[in-house]
Amino acid sequence: AQSVAQPEDQVNVAEGNPLTVKCTYSVSGNPYLFWYVQYPNRGLQFLLKYITGDNLVKGSYGFEAEFNKSQTSFHLKKPSALVSDSALYFCAVRDTTSGTYKYIFGTGTRLKVLA
Amino acid sequence: DAGVIQSPRHEVTEMGQEVTLRCKPISGHNSLFWYRQTMMRGLELLIYFNNNVPIDDSGMPEDRFSAKMPNASFSTLKIQPSEPRDSAVYFCASSLRRVRAGELFFGEGSRLTVL
Repeated sequence: AQSVAQPEDQVNVAEGNPLTVKCTYSVSGNPYLFWYVQYPNRGLQFLLKYITGDNLVKGSYGFEAEFNKSQTSFHLKKPSALVSDSALYFCAVRDTTSGTYKYIFGTGTRLKVLA
Repeated sequence: DAGVIQSPRHEVTEMGQEVTLRCKPISGHNSLFWYRQTMMRGLELLIYFNNNVPIDDSGMPEDRFSAKMPNASFSTLKIQPSEPRDSAVYFCASSLRRVRAGELFFGEGSRLTVL
């Protein structure tokens, strides 16, 4: 079965410092990987996705993610964190094996950027 | 673009009552998903439609839950009878099936409290 894991429930980082939110995946076949962000009392918003090609994917709000096939990881990064980046971040993989086109989400990582 | 529209945003009801949550997907999208979010279980996929047809309802917790999509622009999730453990935020999301690994677009959610 395809799955993603987010090993950290919470990540704290000082404003202006680089941030990393970790995600590892387990898939058979080529992975389709996504990052979403959720602000309080809001729905999830798409940040970026990896389908194929360049291992470094750029997305919204200055975020980027690095696809690493050998480590089966897809970590979310930003060079300089803002207080407004504080939110809940979800990694997701599209299930390509069951034929049902499902998206499987990780448990989420809460990012706190401290002023 | 209006985005995915969900109603009601908040619902408070008593145990045993029927609850109906509504969703209008983005025009032109042909896949629709219902998710449930709780602190304990995170984001769970309940059911997924493609071209108005339910494809996978394996996440529907029990017979008290039912979902319909009578046309491309409307879906409902019904709980009858409701129980306190159904309290959660219910999200509807839509996507364009023809796009390889098209991202999901989420509504703002319906927060359900069952007393």
